[in-house]
Amino acid sequence: KQEVTQIPAALSVPEGENLVLNCSFTDSAIYNLQWFRQDPGKGLTSLLLIQSSQREQTSGRLNASLDKSSGRSTLYIAASQPGDSATYLCAVEGMDSGGGADGLTFGKGTHLIIQP
Amino acid sequence: ETGVTQSPTHLIKTRGQQVTLRCSSQSGHNTVSWYQQALGQGPQFIFQYYREEENGRGNFPPRFSGLQFPNYSSELNVNALELDDSALYLCASRRWGGSHNEQFFGPGTRLTVL
Repeated sequence: KQEVTQIPAALSVPEGENLVLNCSFTDSAIYNLQWFRQDPGKGLTSLLLIQSSQREQTSGRLNASLDKSSGRSTLYIAASQPGDSATYLCAVEGMDSGGGADGLTFGKGTHLIIQP
Repeated sequence: ETGVTQSPTHLIKTRGQQVTLRCSSQSGHNTVSWYQQALGQGPQFIFQYYREEENGRGNFPPRFSGLQFPNYSSELNVNALELDDSALYLCASRRWGGSHNEQFFGPGTRLTVL
């Protein structure tokens, strides 16, 4: 059974710092890995999707990497801003051996606070 | 905005009742998934529908059921509500045609079971 772990569970840094969020997963048989942002009580906003054949994706100040063999991904946020404060969730889409859909398996998230 | 909408925003039910939650996907998205997110946890996969057929299910009992309609809308039905069913329910849609691409989530329905 796939398990996803995110470290740290919470992080508070001053504005302007670069930071790294970590995600690890136990089963490397995945189609893709997706990073999401969730504001309190809200739905999920997709940030980056990395297909299993890719090593990284970039969007603006965000860069996500994937090392499928070691079961790890990192989300790098450059020049953090107070508006980046949110919970960041990592999710992997597994390969169902029966040919069906396995859905996304999520970590519990990293609660990020950027201090002005 | 993802183009995925859900209704209602909030809902309060009592134990033993039945509830129907609704989702409207983006036009052209042939796949919809439903997730349950308890407070402080990551979302848990309930099931996925592709072209109106269920094609994947997580570890949820049969009292969780769904429907997908040709007009890109879908429903999640939960029978015999239990206190532990209190959660944020999220739907996600995408166009699935051989590649497992990005999923887009709606804002969620907050269900409280008393």
